[in-house]
Order: sequence, then C-alpha cells, then structure tokens
Amino acid sequence: GAGVSQSPSNKVTEKGKDVELRCDPISGHTALYWYRQSLGQGLEFLIYFQGNSAPDKSGLPSDRFSAERTGESVSTLTIQRTQQEDSAVYLCASSLTGTTKAAQYFGPGTRLTVL
Amino acid sequence: GESVGLHLPTLSVQEGDNSIINCAYSNSASDYFIWYKQESGKGPQFIIDIRSNMDKRQGQRVTVLLNKTVKHLSLQIAATQPGDSAVYFCALYSGGGADGLTFGKGTHLIIQP
Repeated sequence: GAGVSQSPSNKVTEKGKDVELRCDPISGHTALYWYRQSLGQGLEFLIYFQGNSAPDKSGLPSDRFSAERTGESVSTLTIQRTQQEDSAVYLCASSLTGTTKAAQYFGPGTRLTVL
Repeated sequence: GESVGLHLPTLSVQEGDNSIINCAYSNSASDYFIWYKQESGKGPQFIIDIRSNMDKRQGQRVTVLLNKTVKHLSLQIAATQPGDSAVYFCALYSGGGADGLTFGKGTHLIIQP
C-alpha cells in the first residue's frame, strides 16, 4: 500500500511567518511521530500521537511549535513566528502501534528554509 | 539520559566487500533497536530491527548483531553494492517518557568501484 506522504516537499518562508506542514500516515497505523533533522545530523523527536490519547509533546523545542492530528489520520505541524534556526527537514513517521514497540516508517520529509 | 553514537562518521568500502557499521548505546534498559538507511533527499528507510531477547537477526544481505553486555549494535551488509551508498542510522527506544526513537548521528557508507 501507499507509504507515509508529506506536503509540501519544500517550503521557503520569511522569518516571522507561520508555516503548516502536513503528514498523511500509512492507513491503519495508530501511532504518528514528528521529527526534525538538521543538516548532517540525526533525528530529533518532536511529538507523538497514539490513537485518541493526549499527544506526547515532550520533544517540542518551544511553544511556537504545535501539532494536531485528526483521529488516526492526517496530522499538521504548525510553526508560528518562524526563526532561522527552524530551518531543517521535518519528518513524519507512523507505526502500527505506539504501545508495543514497532518499527516506524518515514515519509520523505518537508525541507523548511527560513530566510 | 541515554546516548546513541556511531564509531565512524564515514565508512568507505570496495564494491563487493562486506560492510560493518557499528553503534554504541548507553541505556541498558533499551530493548528494541532499529537500523535505518537514508539516501540523499529521502526519509529514513527501515532496514532491520532486533529486540533485546535476541543477539542476532538476519535479513536479505543484512545481519544485525546485538551485544547487550557491552551495549553495542552492528549492521553487516554482505556483498556491498553501489545502491547501498547512504547514511545509516541506528535507533533505539528510550523507554519511559517520550515514545520517539533516539537516533545516532549516522554513518555515511561510501562504495568505491
């Protein structure tokens, strides 16, 4: 079946603007994760959704970052008042469940550039 | 907190040779480990996983070895091909708290013709 998809693939914005990034997980996957990857670095966990439970926001770097998920479907990551240090690739992943450890499958990412 | 590291940032191997990519971790409570392959401009791709009740697992041309005593994980790729060129990340679940994976910084595997 289809994998994780993300849009847009690239986003260039000006400092201070708000941006929204979208993730469509694999159908049937109850767990959804957002990560950030800076150039040449590993992945930094941001937020995790599992079913209808309250999301784990422990990885969000500041209150400018927020995310929502509609049921067990689409998720949007919103960054308000973007700063240059927000420039990175934002990756979304989904897995069958978050309660028992399972492999996460990643989308292609959204490359965000803040000028 | 735990840390996940890789011994070499870049590994260069001859096409056809076997590759071994290493990863060390510090959290002895970690019980699930995954190797990902990331090609330029793409998201990480799942390769193989292993749980802590195993010390070896094999896939197609890949083998993962887990040594819990020294907290070391390795990925072996047999008969390396040009398409294996990528950055390889080990990742583990950090247990309690966030359910996201903790990733190492990655090893860039370069295949020499």
